Amino acid sequence: AQSVTQPDIHITVSEGASLELRCNYSYGATPYLFWYVQSPGQGLQLLLKYFSGDTLVQGIKGFEAEFKRSQSSFNLRKPSVHWSDAAEYFCAVGGTGGGNKLTFGTGTQLKVEL
Amino acid sequence: DSGVTQTPKHLITATGQRVTLRCSPRSGDLSVYWYQQSLDQGLQFLIQYYNGEERAKGNILERFSAQQFPDLHSELNLSSLELGDSALYFCASSVRDTAYEQYFGPGTRLTVT
Repeated sequence: AQSVTQPDIHITVSEGASLELRCNYSYGATPYLFWYVQSPGQGLQLLLKYFSGDTLVQGIKGFEAEFKRSQSSFNLRKPSVHWSDAAEYFCAVGGTGGGNKLTFGTGTQLKVEL
Repeated sequence: DSGVTQTPKHLITATGQRVTLRCSPRSGDLSVYWYQQSLDQGLQFLIQYYNGEERAKGNILERFSAQQFPDLHSELNLSSLELGDSALYFCASSVRDTAYEQYFGPGTRLTVT
């Protein structure tokens, strides 16, 4: 069974500081990996995705993520955080077998201090 | 705006009642997914339809059912509602039925009193 672990429930960073949100996955085959962001009262917006190829993927809003197969990780990074980045971030894994369901982590709530 | 629309935005109903949530996928997307987001369970996959056919099933209760119509919109029916069914219900859509990113709607917040 596929699963996702986001070990940090809450993270606080200062505006302008760098950010790294951790994500570890468990999946039997090559995973498809995603990061979504959810602002309060909003739906989930796709930040970036990894299917294959270059293990460093670029997304919207200046975010990037690196796929490391040996560590089963897909950490999200941003070099300089803006106050508007405060939101909840979800890592998800999908696969090719039996449809296309996404399994989500429990999310990391990001707070940005001005 | 993802292009996925969901109605209604909010729904308040009593225990034992039945409700229908509606979703219209992005133009051109053939696959629709339903997810439930609650504080205790997080984001859980419920069910997927592709071009009118059920494609995958997740943690969907027997009291819940869904369908996808010829125009590709989907409805999620929740019956015999319980307090624990209170949650945010998301619809998502994708072009294909597998190996493709999903785009989420704004959700329907269901409150069961």
